[in-house]
Amino acid sequence: DAKTTQPNSMESNEEEPVHLPCNHSTISGTDYIHWYRQLPSQGPEYVIHGLTSNVNNRMASLAIAEDRKSSTLILHRATLRDAAVYYCIPAEGGSNYKLTFGKGTLLTVNP
Amino acid sequence: NAGVTQTPKFRVLKTGQSMTLLCAQDMNHEYMYWYRQDPGMGLRLIHYSVGEGTTAKGEVPDGYNVSRLKKQNFLLGLESAAPSQTSVYFCASSMDGVEQYFGPGTRLTVT
Repeated sequence: DAKTTQPNSMESNEEEPVHLPCNHSTISGTDYIHWYRQLPSQGPEYVIHGLTSNVNNRMASLAIAEDRKSSTLILHRATLRDAAVYYCIPAEGGSNYKLTFGKGTLLTVNP
Repeated sequence: NAGVTQTPKFRVLKTGQSMTLLCAQDMNHEYMYWYRQDPGMGLRLIHYSVGEGTTAKGEVPDGYNVSRLKKQNFLLGLESAAPSQTSVYFCASSMDGVEQYFGPGTRLTVT
């Protein structure tokens, strides 16, 4: 499995954009990059995933570097509800049902 | 839809006792998973199932057994509980393995 490096914590202000980085330099060519988040005292929640191209959905955008060794999750306007631990998870495309969660990045959103 | 539900929400066991955790989903998903999360850590996959009647080992399967007799249910059993199994247990389900939906968790304490 690819190893990931994420900041332990980040802070943002409400209604400002947030860029959450992830390094995955050992990622293989078939690994998708998944992002999940976990709000306090809840189970994780799917955010977004992608392979090579940048991806957008109603929750966030995912920017993937051209060499795929890093990616950035972008929350366009942070809200208090976005305060959570964010996990970046490379997972093999053929068996991407086996997710390995690291420690993630704790995002604090200030009012 | 209730989504993914877990029973019970809390449980305290003595060392050596047995118990079964029940996960149910009403989304007709093929894939189901059991994870554990220790304090300050990410989730680790215990066992998973890719369809009714199938199960497979994840990252930390020792001390646990599972069964998937019905598509909507995935049971996690502890035959002889140990203090090292004190954790929060999360169940998840997915249609295709990509987007996993998580339950609210079961907090288990083994004394």
